[in-house]
Formats: sequence, C-alpha cells, structure tokens
Amino acid sequence: AQTVTQSQPEMSVQEAETVTLSCTYDTSESDYYLFWYKQPPSRQMILVIRQEAYKQQNATENRFSVNFQKAAKSFSLKISDSQLGDAAMYFCAYVSNFGNEKLTFGTGTRLTIIP
Amino acid sequence: DTGVSQDPRHKITKRGQNVTFRCDPISEHNRLYWYRQTLGQGPEFLTYFQNEAQLEKSRLLSDRFSAERPKGSFSTLEIQRTEQGDSAMYLCASRPGQGSGNTIYFGEGSWLTVV
Repeated sequence: AQTVTQSQPEMSVQEAETVTLSCTYDTSESDYYLFWYKQPPSRQMILVIRQEAYKQQNATENRFSVNFQKAAKSFSLKISDSQLGDAAMYFCAYVSNFGNEKLTFGTGTRLTIIP
Repeated sequence: DTGVSQDPRHKITKRGQNVTFRCDPISEHNRLYWYRQTLGQGPEFLTYFQNEAQLEKSRLLSDRFSAERPKGSFSTLEIQRTEQGDSAMYLCASRPGQGSGNTIYFGEGSWLTVV
C-alpha cells in the first residue's frame, strides 16, 4: 500500500522569506502523480502544485516549486517570498496512474507566516 | 464554474440519529469522491463514483455508511445510527474523466458533530 509521510507537523517562516516543506512517499509503482494541497482556515482544500512522476523536470507555479527526487521518493515544496496568505495546512498527496482513484494524503504541515 | 458544493456545511446530531450530506460536483465532472478528515489528520478516502456507478469503497465505510449518485450528478452520503467516532469533516471532490492530470477539486466540506 502506498504511504505518504510529512515529518514536519509545524513550520514557521518570516514574511518574504523562503520555506521548504518535506514529503516522502512509498510506492512500488513507476507512474503516478504527486500533489501539494493547501487547506486554509476556511477548510477548502486547494491545489497548489502537481508533479507527474514520469516528468523529470520539477513543477513550478509562480512562487511555489517542488524538488522531486523519484529515486529517493521525496517530494518537497518550496515557497518563495512567503506571504501572509500562505498560512495554512499543507498536505502532500499521491495517486497512482494505474486506474486506482484513491488519493493518499500525508498528515499535513501547519505553516505559520510571521509578519 | 461554481465549484464543488456541499450541504449542509455543519451538522450537530445526537448519537443514534441518521444524517445525510449532499454533494454537487463541478458540472460535467463524471468522477466524484468522498473523503473523511478528522482534526490533525489528512483526508482519508471513503468511496468513489464514476457517473452513477460506485466503483470503490474503503474499509472505513462501515455498514452504517451508504453513498449514492443516482443520476450521475449529485451524490449523497448517509450515516445511520451515528456514533461519536463519526464526528469529522466529510469532504466531497470531483474531477473530469480526462484532462485534469488526475487532479481532484474539493468542496468546502461538511462538518459533523455527534453529541
């Protein structure tokens, strides 16, 4: 079974600084997707960034980028120029691309932005 | 695009009562998912529909839980004889059959408190 591990329950960063959130996962499959979702206090889960396992290039979305290390099964999220609106729970998630529709989440990292 | 809509947003019920949650997915999304999230945890998969067919159910979905998607549009999740352990947020999500890169879009969730 696939598992996703986020080892940092809480992180904090000064506004305008850069922070990296860690995620590791375990799978025997070669084709899958990885995601970072953000869940602000209003509780709606919002997609931050997506990575396809067969693409070697790391995904980037504006201030958000990932460091995808397939062999190490590591998928970290870097947030540059942190803003107050980035404060939220961040969840790493995995889904197989082989017909399994189940999205497996980590336990989340609570990110606090210090003004 | 009005997003995934869930109703009610909050429900307080007495132990032993039945509750029903409704989810309206994004228009033309043929895949619909239910997840459960407890405080401090990531969402856990409950069940998945493709159109009106329920194709996968988690072991978390006990006999007291039933989900339907009768016309392949909205879905309901019913919990019978509620227990205090059912207190959680129930998240609905949807995605189109193709083209979203396995990205699913979440609603704001329905909070259940069993007293």
